[in-house]
Amino acid sequence: GNSVTQMEGPVTLSEEAFLTINCTYTATGYPSLFWYVQYPGEGLQLLLKATKADDKGSNKGFEATYRKETTSFHLEKGSVQVSDSAVYFCALSDGNAGNMLTFGGGTRLMVKP
Amino acid sequence: GAGVSQSPSNKVTEKGKDVELRCDPISGHTALYWYRQRLGQGLEFLIYFQGNSAPDKSGLPSDRFSAERTGESVSTLTIQRTQQEDSAVYLCASSLEEGYGYTFGSGTRLTVV
Repeated sequence: GNSVTQMEGPVTLSEEAFLTINCTYTATGYPSLFWYVQYPGEGLQLLLKATKADDKGSNKGFEATYRKETTSFHLEKGSVQVSDSAVYFCALSDGNAGNMLTFGGGTRLMVKP
Repeated sequence: GAGVSQSPSNKVTEKGKDVELRCDPISGHTALYWYRQRLGQGLEFLIYFQGNSAPDKSGLPSDRFSAERTGESVSTLTIQRTQQEDSAVYLCASSLEEGYGYTFGSGTRLTVV
């Protein structure tokens, strides 16, 4: 079956530091890949997505590249802000069950001023 | 409404009692999903509704769990004879028929004591 593995947190960074959150996946075929973010007290929000190999998803300074050869979709940001503190979830969809998502365990990011 | 609304936001129940969780999707969203998030873990798919089609119940963990949705409106997730391992945040999401770009509700935190 499908699975998503992402680095365990919490990840603690100082403001303006470079962020990488690793995500690798196992799936049949060619899934679509997503990053969702959950800010404190709020629901999950789609951050970015990529639907085919070598696509780069980007939003709010975050970006991730769909790497089929390494089955990875690592999330990066060049300069984090305190407001980026949240839990980040990597997910995939292979088109089954109405595009049901398979999620990783989530990575908590804490950015200190 | 403007977003996906879930109620109650928090529920504490005694072991063995039945609970009912409610989800109001975004108007016009034909697809509705229920997920469960246990403490420190990723999201687990529970059930998927698409319009008036038969739901995909493949993620329901036991026959104590059931869900209903009438047309493209409100959905209820019912857990009978609750157990402590049912304690989790139950998340609802809705999307347009295409499936991508889910909008999640803020969830119902269920605690079984």
